[in-house]
Amino acid sequence: AQTVTQSQPEMSVQEAETVTLSCTYDTSESDYYLFWYKQPPSRQMILVIRQEAYKQQNATENRFSVNFQKAAKSFSLKISDSQLGDAAMYFCAYTPGYSGGGADGLTFGKGTHLIIQP
Amino acid sequence: NAGVTQTPKFQVLKTGQSMTLQCAQDMNHNSMYWYRQDPGMGLRLIYYSASEGTTDKGEVPNGYNVSRLNKREFSLRLESAAPSQTSVYFCASTVTGTVYTEAFFGQGTRLTVV
Repeated sequence: AQTVTQSQPEMSVQEAETVTLSCTYDTSESDYYLFWYKQPPSRQMILVIRQEAYKQQNATENRFSVNFQKAAKSFSLKISDSQLGDAAMYFCAYTPGYSGGGADGLTFGKGTHLIIQP
Repeated sequence: NAGVTQTPKFQVLKTGQSMTLQCAQDMNHNSMYWYRQDPGMGLRLIYYSASEGTTDKGEVPNGYNVSRLNKREFSLRLESAAPSQTSVYFCASTVTGTVYTEAFFGQGTRLTVV
């Protein structure tokens, strides 16, 4: 069974600084997708960024980027120029790529609570 | 642009009562899912459905039943609620098959069993 581990229950960063959230995963599959989701106090799950395992290039979305190390099974999220609105729970998630992905649902880590200090 | 709609948003049940959580999506997605979120546990998959008429157990299916009524709707039923089922429940949907798109989530149902 696949597992996703987020070893940082809570992180704190000053506004405008950069913070990196860690995620490791375990799988025997070679084809899979990885995601970071943001969950603000409203409870809504918001996709931040996705990475396909077959792509060597790290995904980037504006101030959010990932460091995908396939051999090490590591998938960290870097948030640059942190803003107050970035404060939320962040979840790392995995799904295998067979059947196009998603057929078995997502496996989530336990989450990292990100605090932004003004 | 409703996306994934869950009802109700909040519910309090007494132990032993039954209820059905409703979920509907208007994005023509083939796959739908039910997750539960407990403090410190992340989201865990209860059941999923790859298409109308098919359902499969996820990581934590005990105490739940599901029904994929049609392509749009996927309901979760608690036949005899227990305090251990106090949680936040999320429905999600996505396209699977040749191409995988992102999973879209409903806003969640906070269920308390007393």
